[in-house]
Amino acid sequence: AQSVTQLGSHVSVSEGALVLLRCNYSSSVPPYLFWYVQYPNQGLQLLLKYTTGATLVKGINGFEAEFKKSETSFHLTKPSAHMSDAAEYFCAVSSSGTGGFKTIFGAGTRLFVKA
Amino acid sequence: NAGVMQNPRHLVRRRGQEARLRCSPMKGHSHVYWYRQLPEEGLKFMVYLQKENIIDESGMPKERFSAEFPKEGPSILRIQQVVRGDSAAYFCASSPRWETYEQYFGPGTRLTVT
Repeated sequence: AQSVTQLGSHVSVSEGALVLLRCNYSSSVPPYLFWYVQYPNQGLQLLLKYTTGATLVKGINGFEAEFKKSETSFHLTKPSAHMSDAAEYFCAVSSSGTGGFKTIFGAGTRLFVKA
Repeated sequence: NAGVMQNPRHLVRRRGQEARLRCSPMKGHSHVYWYRQLPEEGLKFMVYLQKENIIDESGMPKERFSAEFPKEGPSILRIQQVVRGDSAAYFCASSPRWETYEQYFGPGTRLTVT
């Protein structure tokens, strides 16, 4: 069984400060990991994904995440927050099965950016 | 290339009525997924469909909910005899084939049951 835990339902940072959103997962098979961003009243937009290969993954809008198998983590970071980063962020894990694959989402972390 | 389209964007139904939510996948995509998002919660998987087939409906409530993806036309998520607890945002996502893990999400339909 797979699961995703996002630590902190709300995170507040100052503009220009480091953004760190935490995600831990559990999976009985090699996971595929994703971060999505959701702006108010919109659908989810893929920020970045890890499937295989390099464990440090770079995404859009200056975000990156590192897959750490030993820690079962996939934390999302951005060196310098911008006001436009204020949104809800979802970590997700997928794996394939006989019926295709299923994606499990975390509960989300709402990021606030203070001027 | 148009993205995933969902309509209506907002839907209000009284208790006991039926709700029909439509999803048109991206061009060339034959796989559709439906998710439900309750307030302050993440997305919960409901059903995975290919054209004319339901592949995985393990997340669908056993009663009142059904989904289809016909050969022609959009995918439909149907909720019969809606109750207040059905109020949520319903998102559709599509992908071109099952072995790709990327899903492209629509803007969602926000269902309010009064």
